[in-house]
Amino acid sequence: NAGVTQTPKFQVLKTGQSMTLQCAQDMNHEYMSWYRQDPGMGLRLIHYSVGAGITDQGEVPNGYNVSRSTTEDFPLRLLSAAPSQTSVYFCASSIDRGPYEQYFGPGTRLTVT
Amino acid sequence: KNEVEQSPQNLTAQEGEFITINCSYSVGISALHWLQQHPGGGIVSLFMLSSGKKKHGRLIATINIQEKHSSLHITASHPRDSAVYICAVIPDTGNQFYFGTGTSLTVIP
Repeated sequence: NAGVTQTPKFQVLKTGQSMTLQCAQDMNHEYMSWYRQDPGMGLRLIHYSVGAGITDQGEVPNGYNVSRSTTEDFPLRLLSAAPSQTSVYFCASSIDRGPYEQYFGPGTRLTVT
Repeated sequence: KNEVEQSPQNLTAQEGEFITINCSYSVGISALHWLQQHPGGGIVSLFMLSSGKKKHGRLIATINIQEKHSSLHITASHPRDSAVYICAVIPDTGNQFYFGTGTSLTVIP
């Protein structure tokens, strides 16, 4: 059981470039989410999905897109990277939306120059 | 405005000391989640609780729903407990977790 996996671990982008952060889980969890972690702030929800084919916006969705074509995979796309998107990104999954234990991936450290 | 406040922000302790980390929140909740983030960055779940007390090894988590407060205790602290401890809540009117900024704990041998 790999749990939640994320790739890449580190990435440097130039302003305006696009990229996709990958996230996969093998626990058959319905709920998946993307967070960003910035110094001095708590984790903030970017986008989430309650099942294959269903996604919705979280607290800070601007500049990001997601899709969920399978239960296992939940990629996060940066459309046109900006320095304000420099952050650590975490993917998480849980059995369902709501008060259920969340399992986190190892994180992706992204720097936009 | 962060609905979840943790204290202290930073904590240094000697090995063997009893440690308490506090979490206060401002809304009614359906559950509270304690998480641990090690220096390498990975985040792991410690406890989910909605009432009372839970214990796992040297870690104890308590919650007082009326006072909107939870504590995480570590008994006989060890350098390997050095990490950031994060509190998160789900409001009883919603389905999204809201996270505190974390308490950075350093345990010195």
